[in-house]
Amino acid sequence: EAQVTQNPRYLITVTGKKLTVTCSQNMNHEYMSWYRQDPGLGLRQIYYSMNVEVTDKGDVPEGYKVSRKEKRNFPLILESPSPNQTSLYFCASRDRRNTEAFFGQGTRLTVV
Amino acid sequence: DQQVKQNSPSLSVQEGRISILNCDYTNSMFDYFLWYKKYPAEGPTFLISISSIKDKNEDGRFTVFLNKSAKHLSLHIVPSQPGDSAVYFCAAIGDRGSTLGRLYFGRGTQLTVWP
Repeated sequence: EAQVTQNPRYLITVTGKKLTVTCSQNMNHEYMSWYRQDPGLGLRQIYYSMNVEVTDKGDVPEGYKVSRKEKRNFPLILESPSPNQTSLYFCASRDRRNTEAFFGQGTRLTVV
Repeated sequence: DQQVKQNSPSLSVQEGRISILNCDYTNSMFDYFLWYKKYPAEGPTFLISISSIKDKNEDGRFTVFLNKSAKHLSLHIVPSQPGDSAVYFCAAIGDRGSTLGRLYFGRGTQLTVWP
């Protein structure tokens, strides 16, 4: 089954404790992205990647890092999480020849 | 600065009637426009798209209209059903220049279809 898998689905952590949210897709897609969803603000892009070892900042990259060492994986790293990073995070992937993006189920992160 | 705008945060429609969701954009480099539907506790799912060279695309009860001169698109749902109640996101892709590889979203419109 074609899918984008994020882990964990829910996470509560403390300020300053490094964490990684994993994202994996099994569709051999070139493009992968991370978004955060906040009330009234919709989906804002954090980082995106057009292929292995190619990443670029989206609209709200501050406080986040990403890496794309393999085509299928695109982890999101919060080196020192802060409460303003409490949000719902989505990973997405798409084939560069198609317009439809596939989304993961989301990761609800709470930083206290 | 938001390049894709959905100015109505919510819309309430009676079952069987038409739902019209609107979206405006600012960047002329966008090549495709998409609508995504999102239920609570799930990721967004693709609904329908339209190329910038077309002005209409239809898929069952869903039709998207594009007015390039006005930089405006709309999603029509006819007839509306209670299961259509969800947040609808308008999105745009421009696979060239500064927009290459990126998918831009609006803030979403919460559609509620009541019996």
